[in-house]
Amino acid sequence: ELKVEQNPLFLSMQEGKNYTIYCNYSTTSDRLYWYRQDPGKSLESLFVLLSNGAVKQEGRLMASLDTKARLSTLHITAAVHDLSATYFCAAGETSGSRLTFGEGTQLTVNP
Amino acid sequence: DTGVSQDPRHKITKRGQNVTFRCDPISEHNRLYWYRQTLGQGPEFLTYFQNEAQLEKSRLLSDRFSAERPKGSFSTLEIQRTEQGDSAMYLCASSWAGIQETQYFGPGTRLLVL
Repeated sequence: ELKVEQNPLFLSMQEGKNYTIYCNYSTTSDRLYWYRQDPGKSLESLFVLLSNGAVKQEGRLMASLDTKARLSTLHITAAVHDLSATYFCAAGETSGSRLTFGEGTQLTVNP
Repeated sequence: DTGVSQDPRHKITKRGQNVTFRCDPISEHNRLYWYRQTLGQGPEFLTYFQNEAQLEKSRLLSDRFSAERPKGSFSTLEIQRTEQGDSAMYLCASSWAGIQETQYFGPGTRLLVL
């Protein structure tokens, strides 16, 4: 059974700082996703990573995938308040299309 | 295209009542998913359809839950004899099956069972 773990679960950081969120998954997966969720809202797709070594960047966020280590990272560069949200990683099982989500990382960016 | 829509957005019901939620996917998407999310947790998979066929169901989906997608377009999720533990956000997502498949989520239906 595929399991996904994120850390940290809570992250408070100052504007302008850099930080990384880690996502580990337990078994082979051919797809890794990052989503953003604002309080009381639904999930917004950020990145989909499909192959070992894949790196994608959008603004101050950069996601990478290491399938050998079963690890994905979401790197935040020069954080701004607007990035405050909960970030989820999700892995797609190779045998089907369901996504298994991590618990989420609640990010707060302080002025 | 306005994205995935769900109705109602909020539902309050008494324990033992039946409730039904509707999801309208993005029009060209052939896959539709239901997830459940409780406070402070990530979404948990419930079931998914490709066109009108229900291809997978989670063991989380007890006999009280049923989902349909009669014409391969909109879908309904019914919960019979609701229990307080059913209180959660019910999320629908849709996608186009393919290598770059990405699931796009709707706004969710928040259910409170009293």
